[in-house]
Amino acid sequence: GAVVSQHPSWVICKSGTSVKIECRSLDFQATTMFWYRQFPKQSLMLMATSNEGSKATYEQGVEKDKFLINHASLTLSTLTVTSAHPEDSSFYICSARGQVYGYTFGSGTRLTVV
Amino acid sequence: GESVGLHLPTLSVQEGDNSIINCAYSNSASDYFIWYKQESGKGPQFIIDIRSNMDKRQGQRVTVLLNKTVKHLSLQIAATQPGDSAVYFCAEIVGGSNYKLTFGKGTLLTVNP
Repeated sequence: GAVVSQHPSWVICKSGTSVKIECRSLDFQATTMFWYRQFPKQSLMLMATSNEGSKATYEQGVEKDKFLINHASLTLSTLTVTSAHPEDSSFYICSARGQVYGYTFGSGTRLTVV
Repeated sequence: GESVGLHLPTLSVQEGDNSIINCAYSNSASDYFIWYKQESGKGPQFIIDIRSNMDKRQGQRVTVLLNKTVKHLSLQIAATQPGDSAVYFCAEIVGGSNYKLTFGKGTLLTVNP
């Protein structure tokens, strides 16, 4: 079946620094990748949608300059949280959509900004 | 005071009982629905899906029912086991929207042995 690898699984960073999260589809090509954020005891909130080779489409209220998304290939998308602050601490999850397997989710990244 | 919006609805059942988890969706144009299970600290795991031209679909121990008239989905889990304890989300897709998958609020299922 389809596997999506997301790294790192957890990261602690200092306020003001940037953090990059990677999402890779290991055995399929992802036509579209999605990035979600999830706060404790809440649902997954879609942040942005990215297609390979084009700019990401951000949901309303999500700052595109703060959450930089790069989708350089059909198997890799990255989310960079720039100038992170404690309120950016959250669980970030990617999802890759392929032609055969539908939507496959990564295992998530727990970001803690101190 | 406590904010209701910050707490997931919960369902507590005894092992061996059947569980029914409900979900209301808002977009009448949604044409595909998926149920996911999420364990603590992990990504969502696919359970079962259903297209809008169906009203019922069965899997192994799970059944999804779709009522488009009232925009309601339910997930039925037969003979619930402790390993079924998790948060369950329904998600919907509107075709033509770049296939964005939008999640509902979620329900925390606790199975008591």
